Amino acid sequence: EIVLTQSPATLSLSPGERATLSCRASQSVSSYLAWYQQKAGQAPRLLIYDASNRATGIPARFSGSGSGTDFTLTISSLEPEDFAVYYCQQRSNWPTFGQGTKLKIK
Amino acid sequence: QVQLQESGPGLVKPSETLSLTCTVSGGSISSYYWSWIRQPPGEGLEWIGYIYYSGSANYNPSLKSRVTISVDTSKNQFSLKLSSVTAADTAVYYCARNMGIAVAGMDVWGQGTTVTVSS
Repeated sequence: EIVLTQSPATLSLSPGERATLSCRASQSVSSYLAWYQQKAGQAPRLLIYDASNRATGIPARFSGSGSGTDFTLTISSLEPEDFAVYYCQQRSNWPTFGQGTKLKIK
Repeated sequence: QVQLQESGPGLVKPSETLSLTCTVSGGSISSYYWSWIRQPPGEGLEWIGYIYYSGSANYNPSLKSRVTISVDTSKNQFSLKLSSVTAADTAVYYCARNMGIAVAGMDVWGQGTTVTVSS
């Protein structure tokens, strides 16, 4: 099983600041990594697929990078609606998710 | 646009079988892979398995002995059965569309349905 480790577990920032979230895989997943945003009581929403491709309707302030074992989700300038939990997910062998990073307002 | 809706009992007794259905509307179930994912209260996401519209399925090895996912293309639905449930199976269950077998990303999700395992 490929284990995804997200860091930090919690990130406290202010609106307008830049957020950098990390996801590390226990073995290479090539570029087969996705990022999701989940707000309380809602289903996850796909932000990024295949490491760096924004999903339909996702604002340009969200970007993804990385390949192999190290991946980053960057939110260039935080909006109030961006404070949520973020998960990474890989699809090699079978899909697994990271444990999540909670982005909270400072 | 494509929408997904989960349905099924919200309460299941221990040792019984959990059964859920996901109805696909606004598009065809054909040509995509369809997943079930669950999220225990206060925890992260766990992929349960997926099925192709042709009926080919793949399951999480940790659940494989208890899971069956099936598809009914005539009804534009796919279903989940999880046998011998325990309290550890209490979770919000989501159905989702995989963008493709060679793509990492599930782009359409149902709203989720809460299933509680309790006597």
